[in-house]
Amino acid sequence: EAGVTQFPSHSVIEKGQTVTLRCDPISGHDNLYWYRRVMGKEIKFLLHFVKESKQDESGMPNNRFLAERTGGTYSTLKVQPAELEDSGVYFCASSQSGLAGGDEQYFGPGTRLTVT
Amino acid sequence: QKEVEQNSGPLSVPEGAIASLNCTYSDRGSQSFFWYRQYSGKSPELIMFIYSNGDKEDGRFTAQLNKASQYVSLLIRDSQPSDSATYLCAVRGRDDKIIFGKGTRLHILP
Repeated sequence: EAGVTQFPSHSVIEKGQTVTLRCDPISGHDNLYWYRRVMGKEIKFLLHFVKESKQDESGMPNNRFLAERTGGTYSTLKVQPAELEDSGVYFCASSQSGLAGGDEQYFGPGTRLTVT
Repeated sequence: QKEVEQNSGPLSVPEGAIASLNCTYSDRGSQSFFWYRQYSGKSPELIMFIYSNGDKEDGRFTAQLNKASQYVSLLIRDSQPSDSATYLCAVRGRDDKIIFGKGTRLHILP
């Protein structure tokens, strides 16, 4: 069974540019999560999709970040315009069930974003 | 502010010994508890999860949960050099959100 995949693995952009990250969850997983880890800090939650609906986007830093999951399959996370503090590793994770007792999340390899 | 606390380490353990990793959390209503292993430059890999008080064993790994003390631990028996990694504790709270600790670096000494 294929795991969570993310594209690109690494992106280097200039401040003010736009970047779109993509995540393909494990097939059949309704729940999709975006996380971010900036240098020296812990992994922090950004948002949670259940199928195509945003269940919780309380972790999104500001309105420069836009996440979509059209059709409830893959998801994109767009940063526009990018700022220096957006640099970090963006992880996507998916799980089969959002209920306690069945919410083991499996992580993708991450996208390392560098804003210069 | 809900928190998950871990000793950053590094924790050095001789090969073959038991490695003990600890984690405390602030949200008393937390429901689910996870341990992830992360090798340098790689993504977190789920290795254990536990939902009920007590011990849960899987191979060389044992997760221990004490909700009264808001404490979860991971024991690794017969430690191997390949166990050297950062171990992340993650806790799912009442709001369904998962909070990660900063991780403990474990170094197994050959």
